[in-house]
Amino acid sequence: DVKVTQSSRYLVKRTGEKVFLECVQDMDHENMFWYRQDPGLGLRLIYFSYDVKMKEKGDIPEGYSVSREKKERFSLILESASTNQTSMYLCASSFPLQGGTEAFFGQGTRLTVV
Amino acid sequence: AQSVTQLGSHVSVSEGALVLLRCNYSSSVPPYLFWYVQYPNQGLQLLLKYTSAATLVKGINGFEAEFKKSETSFHLTKPSAHMSDAAEYFCALLTGGYNKLIFGAGTRLAVHP
Repeated sequence: DVKVTQSSRYLVKRTGEKVFLECVQDMDHENMFWYRQDPGLGLRLIYFSYDVKMKEKGDIPEGYSVSREKKERFSLILESASTNQTSMYLCASSFPLQGGTEAFFGQGTRLTVV
Repeated sequence: AQSVTQLGSHVSVSEGALVLLRCNYSSSVPPYLFWYVQYPNQGLQLLLKYTSAATLVKGINGFEAEFKKSETSFHLTKPSAHMSDAAEYFCALLTGGYNKLIFGAGTRLAVHP
């Protein structure tokens, strides 16, 4: 089975802290994604990566950065956490999605910033 | 612009009743469409996908969806709801470029006895 593993299910951080969310996939997927999920808004793409050291901004990149030093690992970084970044964060990975190849999702990290 | 609209943020049905979750899309190119399900405190799981091979797509857990180009719709149905179907359902559209998915806002399905 494909597995996408996020390092934490729940996190509580203080305003201004630097926060790292880690994601690892075991299927040699080229693409990796970070989404943010908020009630009534669905999933919104923060950043994605199509190769090692390559990244592209998604729809809501402000306040976030990412790192992909190895193919299997994609990190989301909150440089200075703020309360409006309290949310559920979902990591996903896939082969190139032409032809409808599916994306596989991790279990999510529920981040609370206080 | 490409977009996905899910009609109804909450749907409630009785156990054994028909489930109908609505999804409309906007796309300038032939679309690839997906339905994902999210159970409480879990990630998303693929239910089914439309890749132009057939307009009626069957997925897991008895769900199916019909692609209707004339209506730009991809509604999800299940003939008989089960309590275990209670979850949030997301419709998604594949965009161009580096294969990004655009998601609808989601529909939370409640199933009552």
